[in-house]
This record gives sequence, structure tokens and C-alpha cells, in this order.
Amino acid sequence: AQSVSQHNHHVILSEAASLELGCNYSYGGTVNLFWYVQYPGQHLQLLLKYFSGDPLVKGIKGFEAEFIKSKFSFNLRKPSVQWSDTAEYFCAVITSFGNEKLTFGTGTRLTIIP
Amino acid sequence: DTGVSQDPRHKITKRGQNVTFRCDPISEHNRLYWYRQTLGQGPEFLTYFQNEAQLEKSRLLSDRFSAERPKGSFSTLEIQRTEQGDSAMYLCASSSAGQLNTGELFFGEGSRLTVL
Repeated sequence: AQSVSQHNHHVILSEAASLELGCNYSYGGTVNLFWYVQYPGQHLQLLLKYFSGDPLVKGIKGFEAEFIKSKFSFNLRKPSVQWSDTAEYFCAVITSFGNEKLTFGTGTRLTIIP
Repeated sequence: DTGVSQDPRHKITKRGQNVTFRCDPISEHNRLYWYRQTLGQGPEFLTYFQNEAQLEKSRLLSDRFSAERPKGSFSTLEIQRTEQGDSAMYLCASSSAGQLNTGELFFGEGSRLTVL
């Protein structure tokens, strides 16, 4: 079965620092890849997604992610974080098309220090 | 607010009791999903509906769990004879099949279950 790994469980950064959160998936076929974010006390919401084409995708709030097929990775990046980026970030994958069932990673908690 | 709503937001129950959670999806969405999230884990798929039809159930969904979506609108998730291991956040999400190739699920804020 497919799986998603997020090796950074908790990341602490100062404001204006650059961010990279790792995401690796295990599946050899076609995938759709996503990053979801959960701000404190709020529901999960989509940050960005990749289906095909340009492997560098841009999302909301200045986030971007790069799909590297050879590495089975879809890392999330932001050049300069803000205190408001404090949240939990989940990488997710769809491998079975038709039911569009998401498989999530365990999440990375990001804490930004003002 | 026209997003996905879940009720109750928090339920505390004693082991062995039955609990029921309700989810009201975004009105024009025909797909509805239930996920479970425990501390330190990402959401895990439980089941999903397209309209009123339950199309897939995870092995996580034991016989004590049942989900319905009788009229293709709201859904209920019932847990019978609760166990302490059922303590988790139960998330509901909805989407439109036409949009679903985008993979964007719209999540509710969840129903937190605590079994004592």
C-alpha cells in the first residue's frame, strides 16, 4: 500500500527564516500530490497541489513545492516565514483515481518564533 | 458559514456507550468522506460516499462503526460499544466529483471523541 513520510515532526524557526519541509511517498505509479495546512483551531485546508506539468507548483501565502519524481519527493518551501505560518502541515497523495482517496503523512508541526 | 459542519464538536463518553456524529457537507458536494485522526498522526481514511451510496470502507472501520448518508446530504457516523482506543478526532470532508480530480477536499473542524 502507498504511504507518505514526513520526517520532520516539529520544526521551530524564527521569522524571516527559510523553510523546507520534507515529504516522500512510496508508490511507483502516477500520483497526485498535495499539501494541506491546519492553523491552530481551524480546519484542514488546501495549500497547494501537483497533478502534472511543471514540477514546481505555487500555492497560497507564498508557499511552493517541487515534485522530484526520481526521489519520490514533494518538499514544501517558503523563502521567508511569518509568525502566522505557525500551523501543522500535512503532505498527502492520491494514487487510486476514481475515489480520490487521500493518504496523509503524519504531519509536521511548524512553530515560528517572532 | 457555508462550509462543512460537524456536530458535536466534542463528545466525552464512558466505555461501552454508543456515540453518533453528524456531518453536513457543502450543499452542492456529492462526495462525503470520513477520516480519523489521532494524536501525532495524519488523518486516516475511514469511508466515503458518493450521493447516498457508500463506495468504500477502510479496514479501520470495524463492525462497531457504521456510517450512513440516507438522502445523499448529511451523514452520520455511529460507534457502538465505544472503547478507549476509539478516542480520536473524527473529520468529515466533502467534494464534488467533477472537481475531485483536483483532489481538494473541504474539511470540517472535526468531532473530538474522548472515551473514559
